[in-house]
Amino acid sequence: GIQVEQSPPDLILQEGANSTLRCNFSDSVNNLQWFHQNPWGQLINLFYIPSGTKQNGRLSATTVATERYSLLYISSSQTTDSGVYFCAGDQRGAQKLVFGQGTRLTINP
Amino acid sequence: DAGVTQSPTHLIKTRGQQVTLRCSPKSGHDTVSWYQQALGQGPQFIFQYYEEEERQRGNFPDRFSGHQFPNYSSELNVNALLLGDSALYLCASGGDTQYFGPGTRLTVL
Repeated sequence: GIQVEQSPPDLILQEGANSTLRCNFSDSVNNLQWFHQNPWGQLINLFYIPSGTKQNGRLSATTVATERYSLLYISSSQTTDSGVYFCAGDQRGAQKLVFGQGTRLTINP
Repeated sequence: DAGVTQSPTHLIKTRGQQVTLRCSPKSGHDTVSWYQQALGQGPQFIFQYYEEEERQRGNFPDRFSGHQFPNYSSELNVNALLLGDSALYLCASGGDTQYFGPGTRLTVL
């Protein structure tokens, strides 16, 4: 099966800073998604982005499917952005998501 | 529009016991997937149900079983609980885009 590698594993920033989170896949994936897991464990959908670029407010994501990676950008970070960010994808539309280990983001006031 | 719901929120069991977790999918969704998330790890796929049948299964022992009802809600059953089964259990529904419930945190003592 596919392997998903996320970097960096931990990121500590001051409020207002920008950040880039990366996700690499060992093989081609379908249905790539980015999630934010809040302190209570809820996985919040951020982007469904199998290819191309999307933006939603201060967040944007880019997936280069041919090179098997995706990037999540967070601009002007706020303390509420803290939490763990996961990327996940599946193969051949199997709807069986494989997750990375996550990036733990801490935004200090 | 109700999202994915799960019950109970928390559960404490002892080794050897059996547990049943419940999930109602997002309105309009007919496919339910279950994931296990150990502390500090990304979620891992357990199995998926569609049309009341197990359609896919991850690398989990037969102690993990499930069921889907005609209204698309689902149950996850775990028999002969082990300490290592302590985790956050997440339910997801949807097709290409998966939406997750708030999870059930299971502690096995």
